[in-house]
Amino acid sequence: GAVVSQHPSWVICKSGTSVKIECRSLDFQATTMFWYRQFPKQSLMLMATSNEGSKATYEQGVEKDKFLINHASLTLSTLTVTSAHPEDSSFYICSVELGTSGLLRAYNEQFFGPGTRLTVL
Amino acid sequence: QKEVEQNSGPLSVPEGAIASLNCTYSDRGSQSFFWYRQYSGKSPELIMFIYSNGDKEDGRFTAQLNKASQYVSLLIRDSQPSDSATYLCAVIPNSGNTPLVFGKGTRLSVIA
Repeated sequence: GAVVSQHPSWVICKSGTSVKIECRSLDFQATTMFWYRQFPKQSLMLMATSNEGSKATYEQGVEKDKFLINHASLTLSTLTVTSAHPEDSSFYICSVELGTSGLLRAYNEQFFGPGTRLTVL
Repeated sequence: QKEVEQNSGPLSVPEGAIASLNCTYSDRGSQSFFWYRQYSGKSPELIMFIYSNGDKEDGRFTAQLNKASQYVSLLIRDSQPSDSATYLCAVIPNSGNTPLVFGKGTRLSVIA
């Protein structure tokens, strides 16, 4: 499998500040990374698909101007929560897709980073 | 809307018993099915994946897929307290060119 790291593992910030979360694929060049959010006792909700060298694809209902995603290299994607508010407090998890693209994508496995717990006061 | 349904539990089984976790999905064209385990406060880790109808075994884990019934299950033999976690079923729908769709997970509690 792929080894994925996230930094920071947890962050506490004041309302109105911006927070950047890094996701790194340590042993695999990931063309595609995914960002998820998980509220307590809820399922993983896909926020966006991060594509290296191009704009991210956001899921319906996710504000692209609030959750800025940059995938500048094959091993790094960043999620910036701009002007964070208490309702943004959540567990943010990235994942990398391991496998071939195109028609064979149905067989790709996803491996998750350890997650970042964001608390906005 | 593509949905993946799981019983939220908790499912309680005694140590050493077989735990059976079930999942149904709405998109009949779904091709790939994954089971993830998530401990409290941690991110999901992949346990197994299955693509073809039938059973797939890996150690104490067996995944079962029935595409006609749109049903996938995970059996855990000789359940251990360390297996206590939330188990997430995930599906890649139809053509496969879309991300995983996750169920809400089933919380398993193995009682020593």
